[in-house]
Amino acid sequence: NAGVTQTPKFQVLKTGQSMTLQCAQDMNHEYMSWYRQDPGMGLRLIHYSVGAGITDQGEVPNGYNVSRSTTEDFPLRLLSAAPSQTSVYFCASSRLTNLQGGGTNEKLFFGSGTQLSVL
Amino acid sequence: AQSVTQPDIHITVSEGASLELRCNYSYGATPYLFWYVQSPGQGLQLLLKYFSGDTLVQGIKGFEAEFKRSQSSFNLRKPSVHWSDAAEYFCAVGNRNTGKLIFGQGTTLQVKP
Repeated sequence: NAGVTQTPKFQVLKTGQSMTLQCAQDMNHEYMSWYRQDPGMGLRLIHYSVGAGITDQGEVPNGYNVSRSTTEDFPLRLLSAAPSQTSVYFCASSRLTNLQGGGTNEKLFFGSGTQLSVL
Repeated sequence: AQSVTQPDIHITVSEGASLELRCNYSYGATPYLFWYVQSPGQGLQLLLKYFSGDTLVQGIKGFEAEFKRSQSSFNLRKPSVHWSDAAEYFCAVGNRNTGKLIFGQGTTLQVKP
């Protein structure tokens, strides 16, 4: 059971370049999300999804796009990289309970992280 | 809007001493609350969670947390800290309708021998 798989582990970009961080989970989790972790800032939610075809913005969505075409995959796209996007990125997934009319995630499973540097 | 504040950025305790990490949340209804721990170079691990019922929640590794609605707090406690508890601790609040999970800024725990 692979869990949450994130690729790549490391990436260096030049300002203005675009790229996609990949995230896949094999646990049939409804909820998937992307966080960035910066020193002193904790984990900040970028985007999240509660199912295929459904995405929503988190705390810091600017400069990032997501899509959820399947239950398994939730890629994060940087449209035009900026030095302020230098960070460690984590993908996380979870089951949702009480799906009727809403739901809460039970326990987040995290990927191993991507260390991104934008020069 | 939901938010979490961890007032202490860094805490140092002696091994064997008791520990309390503070967490204050903002949420319009009864929240779902979580504590996660991140050891150096590791991913995040769930310590405990509060959904409803008993306001004193037991977790793994001897940790517990108490939900106090009147104070909007969910403080994490451990009676006797071990050197292996040195890590970064994150409090989080979940939205009951959307599952959206917001983390606090984190508290780094250092344990002195």
